[in-house]
Amino acid sequence: DAGVIQSPRHEVTEMGQEVTLRCKPISGHDYLFWYRQTMMRGLELLIYFNNNVPIDDSGMPEDRFSAKMPNASFSTLKIQPSEPRDSAVYFCASSLRSGSGEQYFGPGTRLTVT
Amino acid sequence: RKEVEQDPGPFNVPEGATVAFNCTYSNSASQSFFWYRQDCRKEPKLLMSVYSSGNEDGRFTAQLNRASQYISLLIRDSKLSDSATYLCVTNSGGSNYKLTFGKGTLLTVNP
Repeated sequence: DAGVIQSPRHEVTEMGQEVTLRCKPISGHDYLFWYRQTMMRGLELLIYFNNNVPIDDSGMPEDRFSAKMPNASFSTLKIQPSEPRDSAVYFCASSLRSGSGEQYFGPGTRLTVT
Repeated sequence: RKEVEQDPGPFNVPEGATVAFNCTYSNSASQSFFWYRQDCRKEPKLLMSVYSSGNEDGRFTAQLNRASQYISLLIRDSKLSDSATYLCVTNSGGSNYKLTFGKGTLLTVNP
């Protein structure tokens, strides 16, 4: 059974470029989460969706960040323009509404902005 | 004050040792508590939920003290494979689905 799938696994880009991260949640899961992890700040929730609708985007750092979920099996996190301080590991996770709070994380995208 | 605080460690223990981690949380409205485990350069995975009465899963025991707002994790008879970062997690913002993660405690079990 496939887990959460993220692409790309690694991304190196130059400051000012647009970056798009992709996520496919586990089939049947109705919650999707985007997190960012850095050594300094740990794991931070950026935004989460329920049934493809954004519920809470209070963790999105600024207008340069946007996230969409056009259907139940796909979500994107876009950074435009990217900055060196955006360098981090970005995780996507999904969960079931009826679950116990367990979230299933994807392998992450390691983003480096030079 | 951070919502969830943990001693970052590192904790270096020999195989077979018992090790305990604590964490404190600031949101008295938190209702759900978890320990997640994260291996080096991997994604976090749920280790166990933490219930008010305390709970045990094999060599792992989790305790919750609501009055003092702290959560603990005890690992008995530690194995090399227990080496990882342990993340203390609570829900926040009144939502069961919005989780706040501590920065983690690094454990290394040595042969």
